[in-house]
Amino acid sequence: GAVVSQHPSRVICKSGTSVKIECRSLDFQATTMFWYRQFPKQSLMLMATSNEGSKATYEQGVEKDKFLINHASLTLSTLTVTSAHPEDSSFYICSALAAGTNEKLFFGSGTQLSVL
Amino acid sequence: GEDVEQSLFLSVREGDSSVINCTYTDSSSTYLYWYKQEPGAGLQLLTYIFSNMDMKQDQRLTVLLNKKDKHLSLRIADTQTGDSAIYFCAEMPGSNTGKLIFGQGTTLQVKP
Repeated sequence: GAVVSQHPSRVICKSGTSVKIECRSLDFQATTMFWYRQFPKQSLMLMATSNEGSKATYEQGVEKDKFLINHASLTLSTLTVTSAHPEDSSFYICSALAAGTNEKLFFGSGTQLSVL
Repeated sequence: GEDVEQSLFLSVREGDSSVINCTYTDSSSTYLYWYKQEPGAGLQLLTYIFSNMDMKQDQRLTVLLNKKDKHLSLRIADTQTGDSAIYFCAEMPGSNTGKLIFGQGTTLQVKP
């Protein structure tokens, strides 16, 4: 099956610093990628839709200046959590929609962010 | 609005069949998915079904879709201890290609 690599898998940072998370589709191209957030024992909540070569679309309540998304190529999207605070601590997961399909969605392995 | 509901917990014995149920509200859903999540890991795509189908089988997995009742189920035959995980049902609304609405997840516990 298709592989989506997400890096890093775990990061611990100090409050006020910025953290970048990468999401790569390894064996397919993805014109659209999605960023989700998951709190412990809860479901996934969509944060934003990332389209290659254009600005991301953010869900209601998600601060675009806080969560910067860049989708510079057909295989890479990045999420930068700027000026992180403890309440940003969460599990972040990306998904990639295989180009040329409407339904083939593959998820990364997730990034556990802990802000001290 | 769009909403997906699942029961939170299911416990079965090894070798038995497991059936995980899901209901959704969006009648325009195009695709419905089942994902598996193990502790601390990402989501593994198990299977998905197009909304104009009523059944899909893939080895030990059988998906049943009742579009009229907006009910989706995942049956796992001969459940193994390695199947213990959280199973998420998700729908893709008709208006949003790629965007998924997830259920709360069902924790499947398989007892030896």
